[in-house]
Amino acid sequence: SQQGEEDPQALSIQEGENATMNCSYKTSINNLQWYRQNSGRGLVHLILIRSNEREKHSGRLRVTLDTSKKSSSLLITASRAADTASYFCATEGNNDMRFGAGTRLTVKP
Amino acid sequence: DTAVSQTPKYLVTQMGNDKSIKCEQNLGHDTMYWYKQDSKKFLKIMFSYNNKELIINETVPNRFSPKSPDKAHLNLHINSLELGDSAVYFCASSRGTPNTEAFFGQGTRLTVV
Repeated sequence: SQQGEEDPQALSIQEGENATMNCSYKTSINNLQWYRQNSGRGLVHLILIRSNEREKHSGRLRVTLDTSKKSSSLLITASRAADTASYFCATEGNNDMRFGAGTRLTVKP
Repeated sequence: DTAVSQTPKYLVTQMGNDKSIKCEQNLGHDTMYWYKQDSKKFLKIMFSYNNKELIINETVPNRFSPKSPDKAHLNLHINSLELGDSAVYFCASSRGTPNTEAFFGQGTRLTVV
């Protein structure tokens, strides 16, 4: 069964704007990860946040985690056309990594 | 060198046929996965193996049989293919310890006609 659910399903913004994607999940987790998928390619890991962390940064990425609400958000600042892709959250359990349905981000030049 | 490689990249076959997808990782990881991504981009876990042992077997028809000859390989064999099996299948691997990322192959686009 799916674990995470991303929101929105699709997001279209102009270059330079910020993009925020949300993820909700159902069970307890070791960590939550965000991945990116370019069209026709495999998923690429972006960032991991552990269950005891609340916020993490990596370059233009900022991830928050609220375990009480079982939710996470991914913020991409100063977006670029090259950020156009699908973004998935994944929750890790015991040899178990489950993904949501993804958010399709389109950044217009 | 590609970390997780799948073959073939594309597979077109007729209903009722049996086909296999191969996956190899050269990362020394202990855990390997198979995922199915449908046309709506849902990415669903099918199987998880740790050191050649089956850990997760989701609700997948028993026409799908994974085989792990060693911990670097996890192949997926599908019997009696059906139209609904058409999807992109991804292999992935991870160290299998908590708080580690997964590395994905490029995917195999299976089309059943």
